Amino acid sequence: AQSVTQPDIHITVSEGASLELRCNYSYGATPYLFWYVQSPGQGLQLLLKYFSGDTLVQGIKGFEAEFKRSQSSFNLRKPSVHWSDAAEYFCAVANNAGNMLTFGGGTRLMVKP
Amino acid sequence: DAGITQSPRHKVTETGTPVTLRCHQTENHRYMYWYRQDPGHGLRLIHYSYGVKDTDKGEVSDGYSVSRSKTEDFLLTLESATSSQTSVYFCAISESLGRNTDTQYFGPGTRLTVL
Repeated sequence: AQSVTQPDIHITVSEGASLELRCNYSYGATPYLFWYVQSPGQGLQLLLKYFSGDTLVQGIKGFEAEFKRSQSSFNLRKPSVHWSDAAEYFCAVANNAGNMLTFGGGTRLMVKP
Repeated sequence: DAGITQSPRHKVTETGTPVTLRCHQTENHRYMYWYRQDPGHGLRLIHYSYGVKDTDKGEVSDGYSVSRSKTEDFLLTLESATSSQTSVYFCAISESLGRNTDTQYFGPGTRLTVL
């Protein structure tokens, strides 16, 4: 069965600092991977997705993620964090049929002024 | 933003009562999903629909039923609510099912409290 682990439940960074959120997946075939962001009281918004090709994926709001098959990872990065990036971030993997997303437990990002 | 609304947005109910949550979309997408979100678990799929009157179970379907009589509406019913069903429920839609094209768009959520 597929699974996703986000090892960091909470992360605090200073505004302007770089950010890396970790995501590790378990899946038997080529994974299709997603990062979503959830602001307080809101639904989930897609940041970026990886299906194939270039392992470095660019997303919205200045985020990028790198797929590393050898490490079963899909870490999310941003070079300079803004206060508005404070939110909860979810990594997810799709199954073969594409009808089920399995989510990690989420990482809550706090940004210090 | 994708045209997805959920109603009600907040509900408090008592154990043993039936509850129905509604998801309405204006995108004419074929696929619709119900998830629940609980701390530490991310989102978990309850049921999904791949067309009118076509539904299937997800990871945590026990205690829930769904119906889809129109493309735009997907209903989630808790026949007899229990405290373990206190959660935030999200509806999602997608246009296609193929892994290389599918993106799910999420509604704003419904916070359900079962006392």
